[in-house]
Parts: sequence; C-alpha cells; structure tokens
Amino acid sequence: GQNIDQPTEMTATEGAIVQINCTYQTSGFNGLFWYQQHAGEAPTFLSYNVLDGLEEKGRFSSFLSRSKGYSYLLLKELQMKDSASYLCAVRDTNDYKLSFGAGTTVTVRA
Amino acid sequence: EAGVTQFPSHSVIEKGQTVTLRCDPISGHDNLYWYRRVMGKEIKFLLHFVKESKQDESGMPNNRFLAERTGGTYSTLKVQPAELEDSGVYFCASSKTGVEQFFGPGTRLTVL
Repeated sequence: GQNIDQPTEMTATEGAIVQINCTYQTSGFNGLFWYQQHAGEAPTFLSYNVLDGLEEKGRFSSFLSRSKGYSYLLLKELQMKDSASYLCAVRDTNDYKLSFGAGTTVTVRA
Repeated sequence: EAGVTQFPSHSVIEKGQTVTLRCDPISGHDNLYWYRRVMGKEIKFLLHFVKESKQDESGMPNNRFLAERTGGTYSTLKVQPAELEDSGVYFCASSKTGVEQFFGPGTRLTVL
C-alpha cells in the first residue's frame, strides 16, 4: 500500500519562500511528482524526481531523498497566482499509476 | 496542442440512475488513466488503459463501474446504478511515455 503525507495548509507572504514537505511509505517507488491545482481546474505537472537530489525549474525546485522517503517542493519569490493546492504523488515500481497525497493548500497574502 | 478534455464538466443525477463520463486524451497518447477524488480525500487511481487494453483496473471500486476505450482513442466511464458515495470529481489523464501525466479538468459528479 501507499501512505503519502503532506501538510494540509500553508500561508506565506508575497515575495517570500515556502517549502512544502512530503513523506511517503510505499511498497515500490519509481518516481515522485509534484502537481499544482487551482480550484476547479486540472492538476498541472510541476516536477519529477526519480534520483536523489534537487531539481530546479525557475521559481520552483523539488528535492528527493529516497532513503528517507522524503521530498519537498520549494516555491521562491511567491506571487499571488501561486495560491493553489500542491499535490505530491508517487509512482509505483512496476506500473504507471500515481498515488497522491491529500494536497497542501498554499495561500499567498499581499 | 489541445489538452485532455472531459465531458460533462458537471453532472447531477439521482441515486439509481446511470451516468457516462467521457475523456478525450491528447492525440497520440497511448496511456489513459482514470482517477477519482471524493470530498475531503486524496485523488485515487481507478484504472489505466494502454491503447484499447486495460493495463490495470485494480482501483475500480466495484462492478457498477465500467470503463471502455474502443479504438484506443477516447474513453468512457459508466456508473450504473449510481450510489451516493460515487459523488466526487473524476479526472482523466493521458501520457505518451508513461512518465508525465497530463490531467483533464475533471467531471464533478453529484449523486442525490
């Protein structure tokens, strides 16, 4: 089975940095994904980590430690439009299905 | 390039009725997935098609749910008869490589 935990809510100020942690306990592992979802819209792909380390993509970075079952998504220079739900998802070893955490709602305040 | 589309965006039906949800994946994507999010819970996998074949349907809740992908293009998910606990948002996703999955906006199903 899969157990994926992330905080329910986070609040930060425009221009600041926020780090969203995700811990997972899964029967298999073949990659960790972060998605962004605005209310009523489709989840959109942000990042993919399969090896340990940091992946940077503009204002967003994602880190993975497979030995610790841990990942984080770092959002820098926060903008109001970054207010959304951020979903951590793990892909199983032998298939392509994703197991999701419940999502972290990030609110950016002026 | 058009994204994943789903129809309808919303559906309100009564318990016992039948509903059919449709998903059009991105053109050329052989992999198609159905997921569901019930209120307050995480998004959960339902099943995975590779072209017209069901690769994995381990997440289908019960035999009231039937998914098809005739011809390997669009897919339908039928719920018959619908129950109250079927209410939620049904997402479809497609992928060319099986790595990055592109999600549709979802169909919000309400069963009264």
